Amino acid sequence: NAGVTQTPKFRVLKTGQSMTLLCAQDMNHEYMYWYRQDPGMGLRLIHYSVGEGTTAKGEVPDGYNVSRLKKQNFLLGLESAAPSQTSVYFCASSYEMGSGSRSSYNEQFFGPGTRLTVL
Amino acid sequence: AQKITQTQPGMFVQEKEAVTLDCTYDTSDQSYGLFWYKQPSSGEMIFLIYQGSYDEQNATEGRYSLNFQKARKSANLVISASQLGDSAMYFCAPPGAGSYQLTFGKGTKLSVIP
Repeated sequence: NAGVTQTPKFRVLKTGQSMTLLCAQDMNHEYMYWYRQDPGMGLRLIHYSVGEGTTAKGEVPDGYNVSRLKKQNFLLGLESAAPSQTSVYFCASSYEMGSGSRSSYNEQFFGPGTRLTVL
Repeated sequence: AQKITQTQPGMFVQEKEAVTLDCTYDTSDQSYGLFWYKQPSSGEMIFLIYQGSYDEQNATEGRYSLNFQKARKSANLVISASQLGDSAMYFCAPPGAGSYQLTFGKGTKLSVIP
């Protein structure tokens, strides 16, 4: 099992360029997430998906779009990159959110991250 | 928006000693538990431990344990017998709005001294 993989690992863009980050998981997870991490900050949720064909906005969705055409893949798109989008991007997946009982939780499994620089 | 407070931006601990990392959170929905993750300098996010909100006993996983005080909305991570490999960022993450999301604190950077 590869777990959660992200492509690419590094990317440098110029302001205004577009790109797509690919996240793939082989654990048959229903839920998938995109986060960004900036220096001195924890992870902030950009968008998430609770199943194939569904997406929803997280805490910081502006400037990003996502698609979940296949259960195993979750794509994050930047249509017109800006320097403020320079960050490390993490994808994660899970069966379900943790509920009150320990026996029913499932943690989020994270990919290795993509370091994006926008000049 | 939910507020998570990790009051210790950085901490030092002597190897083989125990250390406690603080986390308090502000959520109106107390039906869901809380996660702790570790992020070493290599960058990956590693799941450490989970505490269910209805679990009567504090969670333990090897050298990691939680001091969970539901009424005070705090879930402090205790690492016993610190090792050099424990040097990393540690993030507390209770569920956010809608229960699907995790909301992360800003983290505590732990440095283990030989």
